[in-house]
Amino acid sequence: QVQLEESGPGLMQPSETLSLTCTVSGFSLTSNGVGWVRQPLGKGLVWMGTIWAGGSTNYNSAVQSRLSISRDTSKSQVFLKMNSLQPEDTGTYYCARHYYDGTYYYWGQGVMVTVSS
Amino acid sequence: DTVLTQSPALAVSPGERVSISCRASEGVNSYMHWYQQKPGQQPKLLIYKASNLASGVPARFSGSGSGTDFTLTIDPVEADDTATYFCQQSWNDPNTFGAGTKLELK
Repeated sequence: QVQLEESGPGLMQPSETLSLTCTVSGFSLTSNGVGWVRQPLGKGLVWMGTIWAGGSTNYNSAVQSRLSISRDTSKSQVFLKMNSLQPEDTGTYYCARHYYDGTYYYWGQGVMVTVSS
Repeated sequence: DTVLTQSPALAVSPGERVSISCRASEGVNSYMHWYQQKPGQQPKLLIYKASNLASGVPARFSGSGSGTDFTLTIDPVEADDTATYFCQQSWNDPNTFGAGTKLELK
């Protein structure tokens, strides 16, 4: 059974660095990509970046300078780090299994992150 | 980036047929996918590559289109279909989502 679960702090201050963890089960990170998708409250979905099966990464240019995605295959975990947080980074962050055709078939429940002073 | 344009909202009665459109600002071949998102839940893949039904999705859902114009059809609509529907293209980098169409039942 494929599962993904995000974890991380719910409240951040502006300029801080966000660290989120996606723990997966039911599939191997060395055979599948995992992407991060953000959703501002009441708004649409925005792809942020993906770490692929071979360990390579792709980032959305809109956040590329602030974003880093890595993984620990032994723990089946994928990490997101984003620095210089601003209030507009507030939203729900999802990790999802990212297929090579571009689809996201399995999603985590999401973690809400609020950036506020 | 490829912009995907969707109508903001639609209202239909149970048992009717509804078509939700998605127009891309540039061609995406057949790499258009559709998701359903209910309040407080994560998105769920319905259709992949324009017209392929994802596993476990009822046959009431279907997709069509190619190039820049795509449609998700639900026939017949059921009360449980109340949700927001997003299209997503993965032909051009970065992959992008539409703003979503909120489907309400009368």
